[in-house]
Amino acid sequence: QSMLTQPPSVTGAPGQRITISCTGSSSNIGANYDVHWYRQLPGTAPERLIYGTDKRPSGVPDRFSGSKSGASASLAITGLQTEDEADYYCQSYDNSLRGAVFGGGTKVTVL
Amino acid sequence: QVQLQESGPGLVKPSQTLSLTCTVSGGTIRTDGYYWSWIRQRPGKGLEWIGYIYYNGDTYYSPPLKSRVSISVDTSKNKVFLNVTFVSAADTAVYYCARGLIAYGNFDYWGQGTLVSVSS
Repeated sequence: QSMLTQPPSVTGAPGQRITISCTGSSSNIGANYDVHWYRQLPGTAPERLIYGTDKRPSGVPDRFSGSKSGASASLAITGLQTEDEADYYCQSYDNSLRGAVFGGGTKVTVL
Repeated sequence: QVQLQESGPGLVKPSQTLSLTCTVSGGTIRTDGYYWSWIRQRPGKGLEWIGYIYYNGDTYYSPPLKSRVSISVDTSKNKVFLNVTFVSAADTAVYYCARGLIAYGNFDYWGQGTLVSVSS
């Protein structure tokens, strides 16, 4: 069982806005550690999408945004596109584990 | 651009040791501000952090795996190594090598991953 909780799936229509939640605890997100998001296409390695909770690496479109409140974080995707179909993972640091923790992943489907 | 490439046997017998190598190119392991990590993904499952190492040799391991895992580096060859002892079918997974940023705690570069199956 993952230390960060994500919904297993989120579905949206092209052009819509969707959000993916990531719920942690007082030893990770709630302890004010940064949250990061990765996108994983089938058969490929994860790629960094958002880091430092709300920062986008160069090349990531501004349709993707991250936020955090308390012990939870969210990834928002606006203007949903078919190529956004992928698995999305959140990640943070946990001070009880003394290491990285991941969410269980959310599969995004574009209708 | 930093590139990471995992290599090692694709099949390991139960109770034996899984050994993987991560070769780093386009940058040096001996760089302040980064750590080098192993992460795995069981078939159809999510990502699981195994552990990481700084170039000075300091290591941190996931508590559930700590008793069976060791990570080391050869800075002269720009390689990172993973050993997992006494493997079982539960260790069947794609194993990724990744570079982590100390400042943020995220992983910015990943290898393509290598599938290791544990089976007799």
